[in-house]
Amino acid sequence: KQEVTQIPAALSVPEGENLVLNCSFTDSAIYNLQWFRQDPGKGLTSLLLIQSSQREQTSGRLNASLDKSSGRSTLYIAASQPGDSATYLCAVPNTGANSKLTFGKGITLSVRP
Amino acid sequence: GAGVSQSPRYKVAKRGQDVALRCDPISGHVSLFWYQQALGQGPEFLTYFQNEAQLDKSGLPSDRFFAERPEGSVSTLKIQRTQQEDSAVYLCASSGTGDFYGYTFGSGTRLTVV
Repeated sequence: KQEVTQIPAALSVPEGENLVLNCSFTDSAIYNLQWFRQDPGKGLTSLLLIQSSQREQTSGRLNASLDKSSGRSTLYIAASQPGDSATYLCAVPNTGANSKLTFGKGITLSVRP
Repeated sequence: GAGVSQSPRYKVAKRGQDVALRCDPISGHVSLFWYQQALGQGPEFLTYFQNEAQLDKSGLPSDRFFAERPEGSVSTLKIQRTQQEDSAVYLCASSGTGDFYGYTFGSGTRLTVV
C-alpha cells in the first residue's frame, strides 16, 4: 500500500528565503506526482504535475523535482513571500494516470514579513 | 464550466439529518472523485466514477454514504443519518483522459454535524 509522508508538518521562514518542501513515497512505481496548495478553508489548487519520466517541472518561482528510485520529490520555492503562506500537499495516483490519489498530510508554511 | 463547482460551500446538519452534497465537474471530464478531508489531514479517497459508472467505492466509510452520477456529469454525495465524525471537508475532483491531465479540485463543502 502506497504511503506518502511530508515532514515537517509545519515550517516558518522569513520573507525572501529560498526553501525546500519534501515529500517521500514508499512505492516507487508511480505514474506521476502532483503538488497542490491549499489555503485555509479552501479547496486544492494544482501547482505542478511531474510525469514519472520527468525529473523536474518549473512554474514561476516554483520548481518540483522527482527521484523515483529514492521515492522522493521536493518542491523548491524561490524568494518566498507572505502570499506563499498555505499548506502544500503532494499526491501520487495509486495506479494509472486517472486513478485515486494518495496524499501526504501536507506542510503548513508560514512566511513572515 | 471553467472549474469544478461544489455546493453548498458550508453545511451545518443536526446529528441524524440526511445531507446531499453536489459536484459539477469540468465539462467533458470523464473521471470524478470524492475525497474526505478531516482537520489537519490530507484528503482521503471516498469513491470514483468513470462517466456514470461507479468503479470504486472502497473508501466510503459506511453504508450511510452513497454517491451517484446518473448522467455522467453532475455527482451527488449523500450522507444519511449524519454523525459527528462525518464532520469534514468533502472535496470533489475531476480529470480528463490522457497522460498529461492532472486533477482539478473544487473548493469543497465543509460539513459540520452538531
